[in-house]
Amino acid sequence: QVQLVESGGGLVKPGGSLRLSCAASGFTFSDYYMSWIRQAPGKGLEWVSYISSSSSYTNYADSVKGRFTISRDNAKNSLYLQMNSLRAEDTAVYYCAGEMATTRTMTPSWGQGTLVTVSS
Amino acid sequence: DIQMTQSPSTLSASVGDRVTITCRASQSISSWLAWYQQKPGKAPKLLIYKASSLESGVPSRFSGSGSGTEFTLTISSLQPDDFATYYCQQYNSYLTWTFGQGTKVEIK
Repeated sequence: QVQLVESGGGLVKPGGSLRLSCAASGFTFSDYYMSWIRQAPGKGLEWVSYISSSSSYTNYADSVKGRFTISRDNAKNSLYLQMNSLRAEDTAVYYCAGEMATTRTMTPSWGQGTLVTVSS
Repeated sequence: DIQMTQSPSTLSASVGDRVTITCRASQSISSWLAWYQQKPGKAPKLLIYKASSLESGVPSRFSGSGSGTEFTLTISSLQPDDFATYYCQQYNSYLTWTFGQGTKVEIK
């Protein structure tokens, strides 16, 4: 079955960096556009970044543009999010999810998420 | 950018009630809308995609409708397991997703 497993979160000081990973299994990863979504404590869901199936196109929320970089390795069925110049407001649980490029169906489940805490 | 507005923000209901949540888009998104259920401490779970298609394994008491800018999620008979927060998500825009602010369904 579809499985997404996020990792790489942790405690980091303001201005620091982290690299998140999302390991995918149970579906043809290379057929899916992938996104990162985050949820600050007690808040709603916020889309963060998007990458096309072949990495040709990427997009970012204004709140992270210029600081975060999304990438993927289809050979490793993995999605990444490089986060630089981290701020307190980046504190959140980060999830990955996908959208099939042809049928535009969604991955039915997300991973458990990985918690990023930005604090001095 | 497309904005998604859900109403109400909180809904109090009893087991067995029919519940309707509305999601409005700031511009037409055709039928590219999904609904998710999230319980405390858990990841969101996909319920509906393409506005009205029920995800495999989701109980048939959940249904979605609408197109263009106005969408609804209906729970025909609320069950104890359904008390949760529900989010709509548009995926009409290329390379961009937008979520509604969420609707918390509470026990009355």
